[in-house]
Amino acid sequence: DTGVSQNPRHKITKRGQNVTFRCDPISEHNRLYWYRQTLGQGPEFLTYFQNEAQLEKSRLLSDRFSAERPKGSFSTLEIQRTEQGDSAMYLCASSSHGNTIYFGEGSWLTVV
Amino acid sequence: AQRVTQPEKLLSVFKGAPVELKCNYSYSGSPELFWYVQYSRQRLQLLLRHISRESIKGFTADLNKGETSFHLKKPFAQEEDSAMYYCASFSGNTPLVFGKGTRLSVIA
Repeated sequence: DTGVSQNPRHKITKRGQNVTFRCDPISEHNRLYWYRQTLGQGPEFLTYFQNEAQLEKSRLLSDRFSAERPKGSFSTLEIQRTEQGDSAMYLCASSSHGNTIYFGEGSWLTVV
Repeated sequence: AQRVTQPEKLLSVFKGAPVELKCNYSYSGSPELFWYVQYSRQRLQLLLRHISRESIKGFTADLNKGETSFHLKKPFAQEEDSAMYYCASFSGNTPLVFGKGTRLSVIA
C-alpha cells in the first residue's frame, strides 16, 4: 500500500506524558499536513509542511504541540505534557503541489 | 477566515430516494470546493472536487457562487452510500478547511 501511513494507530498515555506520532506521506508528495479530529467534528487543521519547511504553525493548539519534517519526507507530531483534552484522532495527509490531499488512517490518542 | 457549514448532522433517507447533503462556505475569493467521504472503519477519502466536474458513484455537486453553496446530490440513494460526508474548501495557500460533517444513513 503506497498510501499515507501513520503510527502508532492507537496510543493510550497517562496525563503528563509526552507522545509522538509519525507520518510517512505518499512518496514524492512535497506537502504534508496534520489535522486533529474529535468526535462529532470535522478535521481541524494544525500545521503543514512544504518539503522540510513548516509554512503554517499558528494553528497548533498550544506550545505543547510541535511538528517536524527534518528531511522533507516523514514527519512527527509531538505533544508534550499531555492533557485529557488532547484525546482525539490525529490525521496526517499529503499532496503534491497543492493538488488532491490524501489522508492516512489516523492515530487515536487517549489520555487517561 | 474561511468557514464551511454543513447544517445537518444526520440525514436519513430510504434506499432509492434522492439525497442532498448541504454545504455552504464563506470566502471572498475563489475557493476550491471538495467533498470527502469516510466509510465505516476506513480513511477519509476524496469523493469529488468542483473543478473536475465529475460524477463519482452517482454523486454530483454544483458550485453556486451566488448562494455560496456546494450541495452534494444523488438521485437514488444506495445502502452502501451510508457514511460520513465532509465538505471542505481551500484557496491559494490556505489550508483545507472542513465542515463538521453529515452522517448519511440509507435505510433499506
